[in-house]
Amino acid sequence: DAEITQSPRHKITETGRQVTLACHQTWNHNNMFWYRQDLGHGLRLIHYSYGVQDTNKGEVSDGYSVSRSNTEDLPLTLESAASSQTSVYFCASSESRGQGYEQYFGPGTRLTVT
Amino acid sequence: GQNIDQPTEMTATEGAIVQINCTYQTSGFNGLFWYQQHAGEAPTFLSYNVLDGLEEKGRFSSFLSRSKGYSYLLLKELQMKDSASYLCAVRRGGYNKLIFGAGTRLAVHP
Repeated sequence: DAEITQSPRHKITETGRQVTLACHQTWNHNNMFWYRQDLGHGLRLIHYSYGVQDTNKGEVSDGYSVSRSNTEDLPLTLESAASSQTSVYFCASSESRGQGYEQYFGPGTRLTVT
Repeated sequence: GQNIDQPTEMTATEGAIVQINCTYQTSGFNGLFWYQQHAGEAPTFLSYNVLDGLEEKGRFSSFLSRSKGYSYLLLKELQMKDSASYLCAVRRGGYNKLIFGAGTRLAVHP
C-alpha cells in the first residue's frame, strides 16, 4: 500500500544546531507540503513543491529550507534551530491535476529545541 | 489577505447532531476541505466542497455557500470516537495549496 512516512518521529535538539526532518511518500504524487502545527494556530504552511527541482515558500518559511531531488522525498532543514521552532511538523502530498485531490498527511515529527 | 474562523471548542452528547461552522475571507477561492484530527495523530480527509450546496457522506455532511464565505460540517449520530479536532481549509488557486483554520476541538460525552 502507498504511504507517506516521516522520520524521526521525535527529536530533541539544541539551539543553533542544524536539523533535517525526512519525508518520504510512495504515492508518486507531484505535490508535497510541509506544515507546522502549534496550539492556537492550526496548520501553517512552511514550504511546498509541485515537482522535482521545484520549491516554494509558504507563510512561515523563515529559518527553514527544502530541496526536491526526486518525486518521493522532500526533506525539511532547520538551518540553525531556535526555541520558537519547537512544534509538531507534518508532511503531506497530493495529486497535481484536477480539483478536489485531498492531501495525505504523514504521522508527524515532534521537535523540541532546548 | 485571508482569514478562516472556526469555534475553538464544542461539546455534544453521544447520539446527537452537531454542526461545526467555518467562515472565510480569501481571494482566489477554489474549494473548501474538512479534515479530522485525533489527538496525537495526522489529519485525515473528510470532505471537499467547491460548489454551493450540501455534500453527504454517511454520518458526515458538509455545506458551502461561496457568496457568504461560509461552510459547515454536520455530524449525525455522534459516537465517542468522533471526539477529535475538525479542521477547515480553503484551497486558493490551483495545485492544492491549502490555508487552514485553527481547528475546532469537539468533545463527545455519554
